[in-house]
Order: sequence, then C-alpha cells, then structure tokens
Amino acid sequence: AQSVTQLGSHVSVSEGALVLLRCNYSSSVPPYLFWYVQYPNQGLQLLLKYTSAATLVKGINGFEAEFKKSETSFHLTKPSAHMSDAAEYFCAVSESGNQFYFGTGTSLTVIP
Amino acid sequence: SAVISQKPSRDICQRGTSLTIQCQVDSQVTMMFWYRQQPGQSLTLIATANQGSEATYESGFVIDKFPISRPNLTFSTLTVSNMSPEDSSIYLCSVERRANEQFFGPGTRLTVL
Repeated sequence: AQSVTQLGSHVSVSEGALVLLRCNYSSSVPPYLFWYVQYPNQGLQLLLKYTSAATLVKGINGFEAEFKKSETSFHLTKPSAHMSDAAEYFCAVSESGNQFYFGTGTSLTVIP
Repeated sequence: SAVISQKPSRDICQRGTSLTIQCQVDSQVTMMFWYRQQPGQSLTLIATANQGSEATYESGFVIDKFPISRPNLTFSTLTVSNMSPEDSSIYLCSVERRANEQFFGPGTRLTVL
C-alpha cells in the first residue's frame, strides 16, 4: 500500500530564509515521487518529480528535492524564500505512474 | 505539458440538484482521472476514466453518485448527483501526458447550499 505523510500542515518562513517542506512515503516498490504546488484559486502545478534517475531533483522556481531511500523521504527545499512562494504544497507517490496518492498538504507562508 | 480546461470554473448549487463538470484536453490521452479536494484537505481520487469502457471507481465512490462519461480521447464529464453540502469541494480532472507525470486542470469549485 502506498501512502504519503507531510509533516507540518503550516510552515512559515521569512523572506530570504530556507524553505524545508517534509514528505515521507511508504511504498512496496520503488516509487515515483512528486511535488505539486497549488496557488490560491488555481489547479495543481508540477514542481518536480523523481522517477529513479538522480536522487537530487531540481524543479521549477528554484525548488529541489532529494530522494533518500533509507529514510523513505522526499523533502522539498529552496535556499531562499520569495513572497511568491506562498502556496499549498502537495507531495504525491505513485507506484505505477497512473494512480497517485497525495499527502494532506503543507501551507507555506512567507513573512516579509 | 498538457492544456486542460474545465467547465464550469465554479458554481453554487442547491441541495438535491446535479451538476455536470466538463474536462477538455488539447490532445488525445488514454486515461483521465477525476479528483476531489474537500476544503482544507488533500486530493482524493474519485475514478479513472478510460475511453470505451466504464470508469473505475475508488473505494467510497459509486457510479450512481458520480457518473462519468468518456465519449472520446480528449473529453470527459463528471456528474455530481443529488448534491448535499458535503459535496462542496474542488473537483479536478487530470491526465497522464508523459510517462509517470500527471497534469491537472484548473479545477471546478463547487458550493452546495
């Protein structure tokens, strides 16, 4: 069975500070892992994905995530937060690439 | 990336009525997916829609409540039937465009009074 746990439903950071959003997964096979971002009143946009290539994945808007099999984690980071990063972030796992399971989301607030 | 549009973008409906949500994709895709995002919660898969066959529903979702059509490879509809306030959610369709990558529509924001 697949599942995703996102620690921290709300994260606040100062503008320019490091962003760290946590995601842990469970999967019986090597998974595909994703981070999506949802801006207010919009649909989901793919930030980045891991599909068994490089363990450090770079995405759009300066975000990156590292797949750590030993920790079953796929945390999302950005070195310097920008006001425009304020949004809801969802981690997702898929074993087949078709059926996705989403975490409960983390709301990121950036403080000026 | 895929261009996915949904209609309507939002609606306010009365209890007991039904609403049909349309999802249009800019190119042919094999599978389309319908998700629900209840207020303050994550996405939950409702069903997978394949062209030419009946949709496959996830646990907790039934065809009588959420009938789905998939008349061709670029279009699908989801109907929310006999609505109650608990059906107030964002409904999103998605497609798998590239291998292991899903693209989402902008969503339909439904409020049931």
